[in-house]
Amino acid sequence: KNQVEQSPQSLIILEGKNCTLQCNYTVSPFSNLRWYKQDTGRGPVSLTIMTFSENTKSNGRYTATLDADTKQSSLHITASQLSDSASYICVVMGGGSYIPTFGRGTSLIVHP
Amino acid sequence: DADVTQTPRNRITKTGKRIMLECSQTKGHDRMYWYRQDPGLGLRLIYYSFDVKDINKGEISDGYSVSRQAQAKFSLSLESAIPNQTALYFCATSDSYREGYNEQFFGPGTRLTVL
Repeated sequence: KNQVEQSPQSLIILEGKNCTLQCNYTVSPFSNLRWYKQDTGRGPVSLTIMTFSENTKSNGRYTATLDADTKQSSLHITASQLSDSASYICVVMGGGSYIPTFGRGTSLIVHP
Repeated sequence: DADVTQTPRNRITKTGKRIMLECSQTKGHDRMYWYRQDPGLGLRLIYYSFDVKDINKGEISDGYSVSRQAQAKFSLSLESAIPNQTALYFCATSDSYREGYNEQFFGPGTRLTVL
């Protein structure tokens, strides 16, 4: 069964600090992995996509990494801002399905 | 204007009532999806449609039905609402012509409360 597990479930950090969110998946064969950001009360918005051949991809202060061998991805946020407070969802495509598999998300709170 | 819109944005209804949530998109995408989101459970797929004549059940379709009236419109119905259907509902779209990228574009959500 295709599964996506995210950790931690929630995280609280101070403004300006860095943090790393984790995503482990069992989806096989792998097609791509996306990280979405979901602000409270809004729909998720894609931050970055990674395909099999990509190890690292950046989008401003967000850097995603992918290790397709261990089936792990991480999202690193640098110099956090209050606006980074949101849920971050890892979504994996593959496993012979046209439907993506969603993780449950990591809730990030950035305190001033 | 928003590319994916949902109506209503908020709805309070009573147990046993029939309710319809509507989704419209101007992105020209062929694929549309309905998800519900509950705290701690993430997004779960209710139904999806890959074109106007295609309807497929997701992992939690019981108690729900859908209608794809046109490529741009996808409605979700609760035939007889029950309290555990209280949740945040999202519509999403994607473009099959960008198969390798599969980005889904989400609407703003409908907050449904069943009393």
